[in-house]
Amino acid sequence: SQQGEEDPQALSIQEGENATMNCSYKTSINNLQWYRQNSGRGLVHLILIRSNEREKHSGRLRVTLDTSKKSSSLLITASRAADTASYFCATGRSFQKLVFGTGTRLLVSP
Amino acid sequence: EAGVAQSPRYKIIEKRQSVAFWCNPISGHATLYWYQQILGQGPKLLIQFQNNGVVDDSQLPKDRFSAERLKGVDSTLKIQPAKLEDSAVYLCASSLGFTGGRLNGYTFGSGTRLTVV
Repeated sequence: SQQGEEDPQALSIQEGENATMNCSYKTSINNLQWYRQNSGRGLVHLILIRSNEREKHSGRLRVTLDTSKKSSSLLITASRAADTASYFCATGRSFQKLVFGTGTRLLVSP
Repeated sequence: EAGVAQSPRYKIIEKRQSVAFWCNPISGHATLYWYQQILGQGPKLLIQFQNNGVVDDSQLPKDRFSAERLKGVDSTLKIQPAKLEDSAVYLCASSLGFTGGRLNGYTFGSGTRLTVV
């Protein structure tokens, strides 16, 4: 079963703009991770945030976590055409098992 | 560091036939996962191994799916007999888990795209 739901399902922006994707989940977690998937390829780990953290940065990525609202957001700043991909949030209730959401398809046009 | 290797890359079979997928995780990663990703959906966990023991196989359709991880390294996932609804990408991932006070993410292979006709 899918734990998380990403919103929007699809997002289309121009290069240089910021892209924001949201993830909502249902049960308590101890960590939340974001992954990117290029068409026809495997998933690539982007960033991990633990339940006692509120914000994390990695390069052009910024992730926030609000455990009271059971939601997270992924912000990609100054997007590039190479950022075109599907983005998934994944939640972990234990340290090992991840449950993935439904994904956001991001299209960045030159 | 070498990534997670999976083979074959693509497979087309007829329904009721059998098929097997192979995965070689990153060296030293004790935890190995098989996920099924149906087109347009997120990956769904089928089975999780810790070394060569099964940790979670609650979503594995055991009447037709089986998996093993010999010697805690390579793993194979088998479907017998296949159904049309098994058409999906089968992803293998491995992880160091929680080490040195740090929780590590998963490393995924490129997957095997299975088409059942």
